[in-house]
Amino acid sequence: GAGVSQSPRYKVAKRGQDVALRCDPISGHVSLFWYQQALGQGPEFLTYFQNEAQLDKSGLPSDRFFAERPEGSVSTLKIQRTQQEDSAVYLCASSLGGTETQYFGPGTRLLVL
Amino acid sequence: DAKTTQPPSMDCAEGRAANLPCNHSTISGNEYVYWYRQIHSQGPQYIIHGLKNNETNEMASLIITEDRKSSTLILPHATLRDTAVYYCIVRAWGASGSRLTFGEGTQLTVNP
Repeated sequence: GAGVSQSPRYKVAKRGQDVALRCDPISGHVSLFWYQQALGQGPEFLTYFQNEAQLDKSGLPSDRFFAERPEGSVSTLKIQRTQQEDSAVYLCASSLGGTETQYFGPGTRLLVL
Repeated sequence: DAKTTQPPSMDCAEGRAANLPCNHSTISGNEYVYWYRQIHSQGPQYIIHGLKNNETNEMASLIITEDRKSSTLILPHATLRDTAVYYCIVRAWGASGSRLTFGEGTQLTVNP
């Protein structure tokens, strides 16, 4: 079956622009996670949804980062007024439930110039 | 979640077994050991997980010591496609929405 998909795969933004990154989880997966991966580092947790409810956003680095999942399926991670330090790969993962195995998408590589 | 320690890099000859170690000396009784790998420019790929018994699937075997303070991921016949960063992660079971806490992982290079 289809895995987690993310779009766009690559995004170049000028500093100060807003960007929106999309995640399509595996069908039927209740839980959805966003991670940020800086170059040469392991992924770091950003936020977690169970259905449409955002239950944990403790990893979001600033109030410029906002995530939503309005219908409990597709999720969007929005970054406002992008900064160079936001350059990273943004990974989305989904799981059947919050305690189940997480399956990752290919990521969106964001470069802020 | 408990911290894990892995060697930064390892090499393996193609066709031989790759044995990747992980120390997790502060693991709690309700924490599972998970292994993921990340091939260059791809998202992390789930490999296997276990609590205290050894586990095997079509990708790998996981050997957990009796005291659960360390484990070894075994790729029985490594191929060039197994070159990747391998992450050992301990994760509490039953904690809804429990995040995965990645360390720096082990860069495994399989050589022809």
